[in-house]
Formats: sequence, C-alpha cells, structure tokens
Amino acid sequence: TQLLKQSPQFLSIQEGENLTVYCNSSSVFSSLQWYRQEPGEGPVLLVTVVTGGEVKKLKRLTFQFGDARKDSSLHITAAQTGDTGLYLCAGAVNSNDYKLSFGAGTTVTVRA
Amino acid sequence: GAGVSQTPSNKVTEKGKYVELRCDPISGHTALYWYRQSLGQGPEFLIYFQGTGAADDSGLPNDRFFAVRPEGSVSTLKIQRTERGDSAVYLCASSSGLAGGGETQYFGPGTRLLVL
Repeated sequence: TQLLKQSPQFLSIQEGENLTVYCNSSSVFSSLQWYRQEPGEGPVLLVTVVTGGEVKKLKRLTFQFGDARKDSSLHITAAQTGDTGLYLCAGAVNSNDYKLSFGAGTTVTVRA
Repeated sequence: GAGVSQTPSNKVTEKGKYVELRCDPISGHTALYWYRQSLGQGPEFLIYFQGTGAADDSGLPNDRFFAVRPEGSVSTLKIQRTERGDSAVYLCASSSGLAGGGETQYFGPGTRLLVL
C-alpha cells in the first residue's frame, strides 16, 4: 500500500507556463521531502518541509506542506526545459524514521 | 569520489541465477539504505544499515534477498534464484547517521537489473 499519492501522473507543458504537482496522504508525516530524478540517475533532494503550513521557495520552485502535515504541493513558475524530470515526494511518518515512503512520482515534460 | 557509487550500472542475468549489487556510500556516512524502483513507480524501501548491522530489513520481499555491510562502509545486496519480477533499478543511498531520523539521504545512480 502506497502511503503517498501523487497527481497528476504525467504533465506536459510549454516553456514559460506554470505547473503544480500534488502529494497527498491519509497519514500524518513528521516531514516530507521532494526529489527530482532524471533518467539513469538517482533522486536528488530538492527540499525538506517539517512544519505544518510551511512554505519554502527555491528559485522558481515553491513547496508547501499542508497544515495537517498530510499533503504537500510543488509549484514551478515559468517552467524551463531544464525542469523536465520525475518529481517524487517522500515522507517519514515518525521523526525517528530512517526509511522513506515514496509516492509514484509525477513525470514533468517541459516543451521548448 | 564525493557521491554514492553503485556497480555495476547495468546487470543482465537469467532466471534462477545469483547476482550481487555493490554500493559505495559517501565516506564517513554510517547510515546506508537500499531501495528498489520498478518502472513507473517511486523507490520502495528494502533495508537500512546503521554501521555494520541491519537496523531494519522489513522491506526485503522474501528470503532470496540478503544484504551485508561487513565493515560499515561498502554494502552488497545479494539476490538468489533471480526471478523476472526482480527486474528493477536498485538504488542505494547513504546519510550521516548522526541526526537520527529524517536525515537527508544521498542517492547513487542505481543498478539496472534485468532478469531474462
């Protein structure tokens, strides 16, 4: 059973457009992480959110953790072709959990 | 090197054979993880080491899968009597092991295993 559900599964947009990817669960997480994975590579951490309602910005990327710590979103402003990749959310249920539970990912394609 | 390395990058084997996948973590990292990523899915936890011992092996799918880390650095994931369903990308990650849970995990590029 996958704890984290991501939507949409696939997203294709034109360069310059905005996009939002969602990560939802019925479980409460002590922290949520967003990763980006390119073909043939391992996931690379983008951000960790730990506080309900927290918003973090990383250049054109905005990450939000839901107030109840059950969901998160990733918003990309003015997408570029270099943003193309698989975006994964992952969470730790307890603060002392070492293992991560991953969503299935959202494949984002930004067309030139 | 500075990052996590995994060898081989690709492995093709026949059903029923034995395979070993190797992971070299970031130097000094005491925590090491193995995940499996099937096509179109996110990584799925297999096993976690703290030092030489397997602190959590709850993700290993069955007794054909085994992992070791004898000196607390390099780890080997071993799969006996491989089945076609074992085909996946096997990812290794490491973290400092100092901060407790929720540490940043640094992933290697993975080993792509194909069982024919």
